Amino acid sequence: EDQVTQSPEALRLQEGESSSLNCSYTVSGLRGLFWYRQDPGKGPEFLFTLYSAGEEKEKERLKATLTKKESFLHITAPKPEDSATYLCAVRSNYQLIWGAGTKLIIKP
Amino acid sequence: EAGVTQFPSHSVIEKGQTVTLRCDPISGHDNLYWYRRVMGKEIKFLLHFVKESKQDESGMPNNRFLAERTGGTYSTLKVQPAELEDSGVYFCASSQGLDGVQFFGPGTRLTVL
Repeated sequence: EDQVTQSPEALRLQEGESSSLNCSYTVSGLRGLFWYRQDPGKGPEFLFTLYSAGEEKEKERLKATLTKKESFLHITAPKPEDSATYLCAVRSNYQLIWGAGTKLIIKP
Repeated sequence: EAGVTQFPSHSVIEKGQTVTLRCDPISGHDNLYWYRRVMGKEIKFLLHFVKESKQDESGMPNNRFLAERTGGTYSTLKVQPAELEDSGVYFCASSQGLDGVQFFGPGTRLTVL
């Protein structure tokens, strides 16, 4: 069965304190792994797509990496505006299968 | 360019009533998806349209849910009759191709009392 597990559920960091979020997955026929950001009361906002092991993508303070079993979202020197829920999803048969998300709080 | 829009943003109805949710995808996007997040759970797939045709409706919970996309533009999702367990946030997404990035709307929060 296709499954996505994210950890930790919640993460509190001080401003400037770097860390990583984990997304482990099992899927038959990966057609892409996606990272989204979600703010309260809004829909998921696309961040990155990764397709093959070893691939990396960067955007500002965020960097996503992919292995055959998991993906990491590294956040470097975060700012309070990076506070959000970060969602990981894998595409299987064109639908997205989602993890429960990691709620990230950055304290000034 | 306008993003995915959904209407209404919130809906509160009594058990047994009918509710219709609407989604307008990004212009030119043939693929339209409906997802749902119930309280405390992860987002779950409901169905996928390619233009006006249902490509995959494997996630639809039961026959109280009816989705349409007449003319291949906007889509509606009707729940009739609504039950308590239908409460949650309903998201719509659209993509340019089958393998395109899915862009999401802000969601409709449905509360069934």
